[in-house]
Parts: sequence; structure tokens; C-alpha cells
Amino acid sequence: ILNVEQSPQSLHVQEGDSTNFTCSFPSSNFYALHWYRWETAKSPEALFVMTLNGDEKKKGRISATLNTKEGYSYLYIKGSQPEDSATYLCAFNQAGTALIFGKGTTLSVSS
Amino acid sequence: DAGVTQSPTHLIKTRGQHVTLRCSPISGHKSVSWYQQVLGQGPQFIFQYYEKEERGRGNFPDRFSARQFPNYSSELNVNALLLGDSALYLCASTSGGYEQYFGPGTRLTVT
Repeated sequence: ILNVEQSPQSLHVQEGDSTNFTCSFPSSNFYALHWYRWETAKSPEALFVMTLNGDEKKKGRISATLNTKEGYSYLYIKGSQPEDSATYLCAFNQAGTALIFGKGTTLSVSS
Repeated sequence: DAGVTQSPTHLIKTRGQHVTLRCSPISGHKSVSWYQQVLGQGPQFIFQYYEKEERGRGNFPDRFSARQFPNYSSELNVNALLLGDSALYLCASTSGGYEQYFGPGTRLTVT
């Protein structure tokens, strides 16, 4: 059974803090690793899709890295803001298969 | 352009009843996937359809069925509802690339 693990489950930081989350996934038959940002009552928003070992992606203050050989990805948020408060989902898929999601990391940023 | 839309937003059903959930993909997207998200878990894959053909099915009972129409919209049907079917049902569409775009979901409550 393929499993995606995310840690921590939840995180509370102060405005301006930098933070990071971890996603672990099976390293065999890797196709793509996805990060989503999900605010309550909204659609999950795609942040990054990563396909190559060593990939690093950046969007504003958020960045992600990928290690397919050891099966992990990190998501970094620099200088957290209250609007970054959301659940961050990681999903993995093999070629031709559906996304397998982790349970998510819920980030709360207080001002 | 409109994103993925789903209807209804919320609904309440009684055990044993039947429910139909609807999804309209992003214009030009030919593939639709359905996911179930229960509290505390990540979304779980139910079905994928491409060009009206079922391309994948997750580990769900036969009470769950789906179809895709010529305009690429999709319906998810659940028969003989159980309390455990209470969840957020998400629809995602893709043009065939890596990214999947999600709708806001339908919140189903079974009493």
C-alpha cells in the first residue's frame, strides 16, 4: 500500500517566522510530487508540481525541494504572514495513477 | 476563465438514500477525477474519467459509481448511503499534464 506521510500535523508560528514542512513518499516508480495550499471553504490551490530529482521551485516566499531517491520533499515558507494560514497538502503519483495524498500540515500564523 | 465548479455546495441525506454530485471541469479539460475527504484525512481517490471512459477506480464499494458526459462534466452517484459516507467530495480536472485543478467540493452529511 502506497503511503504519503506529512509532518508536522499542525504548526503555530508568529508572523515573520520562517517554517518548513516535510512530505515522505515511496521512492519507487516516481512520477510527480504535488504541493497544494488549502484554505477552509475554498478549492485546494496548486502550489508546485515537481518531477525531477533535485528540483527546487519557488513562488514568492514559498519554495520546495524534491529528493526522489530518498523519497522526501520539503516546503519552506519564509517570513510567514497571517494569510499563509492554511492546510498544506502533499500528493504523490506514479505514472498513470491517481494522486495519493498525505493528511496535510495545518499552519496557523498569528500576528 | 471559470475554475472547476461543483454542485451542490452542501447537502444532507438520510441513511439508505441515494445522492448525485455534479462537477464541471475547466474548459478544455477532458479528464475528471473524484476524491473523498473525511475529517482528519487527506483526500482519497474514488474515480478518474477521461473522454467518458473510466480510467481508474479507488478502493470504494460498488455503491459508488460515476459517469462523464460528452461535454466532459461528471456525476458521482452514491447508493444506499451510510453514515460513513459523510465527507467532502472533491472533483479535479486536468488537461492531461501533471497538474490537477480542484473544485471547492460538496459537503455531504448523512444522518
